[in-house]
Amino acid sequence: QSALTQPASVSGSPGQSITISCTGTSSDVGSYNLVSWYQQHPGKAPKLMIYEDTKRPSGVSNRFSGSKSANTASLTISGLQAEDEADYYCCSYAGSSTYVFGTGTKVTVL
Amino acid sequence: EVQLVESGGGLVQPGGSLRLSCAASGFTFDNYWMSWVRQAPGKGLEWVANIQQDGSEKYYVNSVKGRFTVSRDNAKNSLYLQMNSLRVEDTAVYYCARCPRGSWFDPWGQGTLVTVSS
Repeated sequence: QSALTQPASVSGSPGQSITISCTGTSSDVGSYNLVSWYQQHPGKAPKLMIYEDTKRPSGVSNRFSGSKSANTASLTISGLQAEDEADYYCCSYAGSSTYVFGTGTKVTVL
Repeated sequence: EVQLVESGGGLVQPGGSLRLSCAASGFTFDNYWMSWVRQAPGKGLEWVANIQQDGSEKYYVNSVKGRFTVSRDNAKNSLYLQMNSLRVEDTAVYYCARCPRGSWFDPWGQGTLVTVSS
């Protein structure tokens, strides 16, 4: 149950696009279409942004999109806005009803 | 509105016990898996435990197996986490979350802080 690997920080200017990677193994990310992404502002609870690798819940901006290739999932934020500055975590189903989160990425809007 | 409200956190000495509760409202509670996720101060998220709709199946992260027990009372729309033999490294904000199709976490409660310290 090792944590998925994310970059510690990613930054971009308003209007730009950024991508956060999430690397796991063939036992978690690579085995199931069950990667989800969460946004967390300081002092707040996490919020679901993407589920089942690529699906966006209702109410989440279409500027957020998810993708996956082999053992690496990615979250792309397009048209970066000041309100997107937050921590982002990926999560994957890891079999036997267990889950593993990523190490987290701090997104900074320059 | 779907809402989850945790309670029961506090300061406890190493080796002590604590029981967390999560009150659910705004949805049919017994239709969903439910989970506990924690976050140590300044650290990332860690899945802790989850429980099937009728409570018959329960799963835990290795670090809490044998010490923590997840349970639910569908008549009271409530989720619980009994934490025994607490360690300093269990210090964290504990969130309860609904787990649709047992696959992701949405929504989350506001969290309750557990501090294990002498």
